[in-house]
Amino acid sequence: EDQVTQSPEALRLQEGESSSLNCSYTVSGLRGLFWYRQDPGKGPEFLFTLYSAGEEKEKERLKATLTKKESFLHITAPKPEDSATYLCAVKEWGGSEKLVFGKGTKLTVNP
Amino acid sequence: SQTIHQWPATLVQPVGSPLSLECTVEGTSNPNLYWYRQAAGRGLQLLFYSVGIGQISSEVPQNLSASRPQDRQFILSSKKLLLSDSGFYLCAWSPGTGGLETQYFGPGTRLLVL
Repeated sequence: EDQVTQSPEALRLQEGESSSLNCSYTVSGLRGLFWYRQDPGKGPEFLFTLYSAGEEKEKERLKATLTKKESFLHITAPKPEDSATYLCAVKEWGGSEKLVFGKGTKLTVNP
Repeated sequence: SQTIHQWPATLVQPVGSPLSLECTVEGTSNPNLYWYRQAAGRGLQLLFYSVGIGQISSEVPQNLSASRPQDRQFILSSKKLLLSDSGFYLCAWSPGTGGLETQYFGPGTRLLVL
């Protein structure tokens, strides 16, 4: 069973059409939840770290929220340059230093 | 500011040949260093991590090995490549202060084993 599940696998939006990406996790104790953006052929770019339920963080058109079982990445009025794969990862207490990643959501924003 | 470098950017190698990928970090000292592999249709998988010179932890038994000869240098190696070693290899670093450190990724190396 995957510890981190992202949905949908792919999402197509029109420019300006707001939506949300989901990341659900099943770890016994969450140390942190991380969001990254990855462009094709490049390494992931860090976006946010969330530590506890109820926490929210914003950056430009992106807002990340966290509950005890899932995180949402809200994209408000997206632009074509927001097209990328968005990755979610978790680190749990008592484990190694590894981040456990989901498979990502590929976002395409059409002009 | 901190910068992470990986080379080569792309590599095509025959089955059975050796491998050496290098990662270096600038602008920080005593970082934690990581090697991940990203295969098509799968999430990033941690291969090795290091909290100091000569200290390597392996997450997945495999055909690969890692070494950290200097504080800010991390090397991924193989004596004989397999077809299944193809993938996108990513090096990452985090501040070595313990706790909830964010990991920052390099540009990656695309490896194709033929």
